Amino acid sequence: DVKVTQSSRYLVKRTGEKVFLECVQDMDHENMFWYRQDPGLGLRLIYFSYDVKMKEKGDIPEGYSVSREKKERFSLILESASTNQTSMYLCASSLFLGYNSPLHFGNGTRLTVT
Amino acid sequence: QKEVEQNSGPLSVPEGAIASLNCTYSDRGSQSFFWYRQYSGKSPELIMFIYSNGDKEDGRFTAQLNKASQYVSLLIRDSQPSDSATYLCAVNGDQAGTALIFGKGTTLSVSS
Repeated sequence: DVKVTQSSRYLVKRTGEKVFLECVQDMDHENMFWYRQDPGLGLRLIYFSYDVKMKEKGDIPEGYSVSREKKERFSLILESASTNQTSMYLCASSLFLGYNSPLHFGNGTRLTVT
Repeated sequence: QKEVEQNSGPLSVPEGAIASLNCTYSDRGSQSFFWYRQYSGKSPELIMFIYSNGDKEDGRFTAQLNKASQYVSLLIRDSQPSDSATYLCAVNGDQAGTALIFGKGTTLSVSS
């Protein structure tokens, strides 16, 4: 079974702090993703990565950056956290990018920025 | 802008009934279609996926795909209170190397 582990379940940070959200997968998947989920807005893609050191912007990359130094680990970075980044953040991985390759999600990190 | 549309609900059905969840998508070139279930406060979990026109059955779940109408649905037979959740439809893009696009989800409530 694919296991995607997010380092924190709940996180509270102050405005202006630099925030790191970590995600690790154990199935040697090539592709990893960061989504945020907000009521009424659904799941929105922030960034994804299809290989080590490779990244692609999703629909809402502003205010975020990512790092993928190792295949199993994908980090989301909030350079200067703001209150509008309060959200549920979901990491996912997939074997292939695109056809017939489902996403496997981690348990999520609920981030509150005060 | 590629879109995936779902009725937000809530869809309310009695226990034992068939629940029908619908999804339409804008990108005619989409190839694969996924249904996820998400309980409140939890992350989405895959129920099933479909890529050929017609029906695909897995236990009490049936996915139906009609590419000509750009429509995919999920039927849940013998609905149980434990099926109460939000159901997300996800569609892949028409090009290799694109990420899934999710609908906003339909909330299902099964009453006992």
